Amino acid sequence: DAGVIQSPRHEVTEMGQEVTLRCKPISGHDYLFWYRQTMMRGLELLIYFNNNVPIDDSGMPEDRFSAKMPNASFSTLKIQPSEPRDSAVYFCASNSQREAFFGQGTRLTVV
Amino acid sequence: AQSVAQPEDQVNVAEGNPLTVKCTYSVSGNPYLFWYVQYPNRGLQFLLKYITGDNLVKGSYGFEAEFNKSQTSFHLKKPSALVSDSALYFCAVRPLDSSYKLIFGSGTRLLVRP
Repeated sequence: DAGVIQSPRHEVTEMGQEVTLRCKPISGHDYLFWYRQTMMRGLELLIYFNNNVPIDDSGMPEDRFSAKMPNASFSTLKIQPSEPRDSAVYFCASNSQREAFFGQGTRLTVV
Repeated sequence: AQSVAQPEDQVNVAEGNPLTVKCTYSVSGNPYLFWYVQYPNRGLQFLLKYITGDNLVKGSYGFEAEFNKSQTSFHLKKPSALVSDSALYFCAVRPLDSSYKLIFGSGTRLLVRP
């Protein structure tokens, strides 16, 4: 298995633009998580899904953030409109019964 | 509130010396405990976990961690550090509720000097 795959690896966008981050979890894993990492706040859980259903989105910072999981092999995190304070590394992770496996992250820069 | 504390922002050790990266937690019940490592521009990699049983858990790359229930600690250790161990280390807990979400500490940067 190739592990958790995230795209793009890097994204630079202008303030106000829509940004979509993508994640392909490990096949067979029924939990998917989106985390955000910043120097100031460390690793924050934004939202997680179980069997494609959002379970807890209390970490989503604002209505500008939305996440979907249309099927077991794909999830998106969308920011619309983006702001400079959204600049961070966004990680996707998946797991089943054991430990979580993380993707390599998407480094987002909003200018 | 449930939380994980890593009291040291950075730990410096000389190569060949033992290392300890500290972690304490505040979670009700008996949670699962994890250590992850992050190398530059990479995602988090699983090192080891404690679920139950022996308090000393062995993991990848020669790392081990000791669970201490009375002190609610889960310190990461390695008998002999390598320069290549230099990275960012995260302690995490998974509360024993119905979810699988992880609560992370703030991370500790380990710097091993030659």
